Amino acid sequence: NAGVTQTPKFQVLKTGQSMTLQCAQDMNHEYMSWYRQDPGMGLRLIHYSVGAGITDQGEVPNGYNVSRSTTEDFPLRLLSAAPSQTSVYFCASSYSKPLWGYTFGSGTRLTVV
Amino acid sequence: TQLLKQSPQFLSIQEGENLTVYCNSSSVFSSLQWYRQEPGEGPVLLVTVVTGGEVKKLKRLTFQFGDARKDSSLHITAAQPGDTGLYLCAGARPGNTGKLIFGQGTTLQVKP
Repeated sequence: NAGVTQTPKFQVLKTGQSMTLQCAQDMNHEYMSWYRQDPGMGLRLIHYSVGAGITDQGEVPNGYNVSRSTTEDFPLRLLSAAPSQTSVYFCASSYSKPLWGYTFGSGTRLTVV
Repeated sequence: TQLLKQSPQFLSIQEGENLTVYCNSSSVFSSLQWYRQEPGEGPVLLVTVVTGGEVKKLKRLTFQFGDARKDSSLHITAAQPGDTGLYLCAGARPGNTGKLIFGQGTTLQVKP
């Protein structure tokens, strides 16, 4: 099983550019989430989804959009990249209630210059 | 505002020592998880606790969920260099189990 696959692994963007971080899981998990990780901050929730067609905001949603048209895919869009969005981004998925813990992808390291 | 506070943030110990990491909150959680993360990788789930007062053991690691389901601890006995890494606690609030909130993490270094 591939688990949770994130692409790309590394990306450099110029301020103002847009891009989409891809996330796909092959475990038929209903729950999916996007986190960003910054030094000393742990993981902060950006957006999450409890099933296809359903998304909601997390702790730090500004500047990011998501959609969930299929169970497998949960892309994260940066609308107009800013240096403050330089971070490592993780996608994760889980079975439905109760929340027994997420399976994480290996991350995308994004630098905005 | 950090909903889950971990302490200590950094811990450097010698091989063979014992240690405890704490995860505290003023809020109740329906479940609480502990993850371990190595550099360049995503977090990996160690354990999930769901019942107040629950204790789970994973080899030399002991996890406890507080009676009121507001806090948790991770105790490592006879730490080894292979235990080095970032330890993260994460909680799901009642009624919103799709939203998992993380603490800021504890960086553990075990020196040979």
